[in-house]
Amino acid sequence: NAGVTQTPKFQVLKTGQSMTLQCAQDMNHEYMSWYRQDPGMGLRLIHYSVGAGITDQGEVPNGYNVSRSTTEDFPLRLLSAAPSQTSVYFCASSYSTGRKETQYFGPGTRLLVL
Amino acid sequence: GENVEQHPSTLSVQEGDSAVIKCTYSDSASNYFPWYKQELGKRPQLIIDIRSNVGEKKDQRIAVTLNKTAKHFSLHITETQPEDSAVYFCAAFSNTGKLIFGQGTTLQVKP
Repeated sequence: NAGVTQTPKFQVLKTGQSMTLQCAQDMNHEYMSWYRQDPGMGLRLIHYSVGAGITDQGEVPNGYNVSRSTTEDFPLRLLSAAPSQTSVYFCASSYSTGRKETQYFGPGTRLLVL
Repeated sequence: GENVEQHPSTLSVQEGDSAVIKCTYSDSASNYFPWYKQELGKRPQLIIDIRSNVGEKKDQRIAVTLNKTAKHFSLHITETQPEDSAVYFCAAFSNTGKLIFGQGTTLQVKP
């Protein structure tokens, strides 16, 4: 298993540009989440999904969209990038049964918005 | 909404000493409390967790305690080693499906 994968690893955008951060997992996990990490702010939940076709907002959803058309993929879209969205983005997933709360993180995407 | 407060933000100890990190949570429905360790430039990794029906859990040099009445939980690291230096995050999972993290504690273990 590849686990949780994220692409790209690093991206530079100009203000106003759009892009999609990709996240995929091959463990048949139902739960998937997106977090952003900023210095001194910890990990803040952007959006999460408890299964295909179901998404919900986290702590800081503004400026981001998500969809969950398959169990494996959970892309995060920035519609119009702003410098405040400069951050490290982590995708995470967890089991559907048993220890479903235990989230496993992808390697992260470092985003710089100029 | 749900909130997790974590203290201290930085902690410096001598090798061999103990380190304690404390967290409080606001959602009384939270039922799962993991701790993650993050080394510089890497992803967070789960190191220990505790569920709401347990008061204490230990795994070698690390232990976690939970006081549901007070909505407090703590991480204890004994006999600290330089490789324990990292950022540690607590988190609380609620029935709504959200995992909310504390702000993090930077632990420095001096040789």
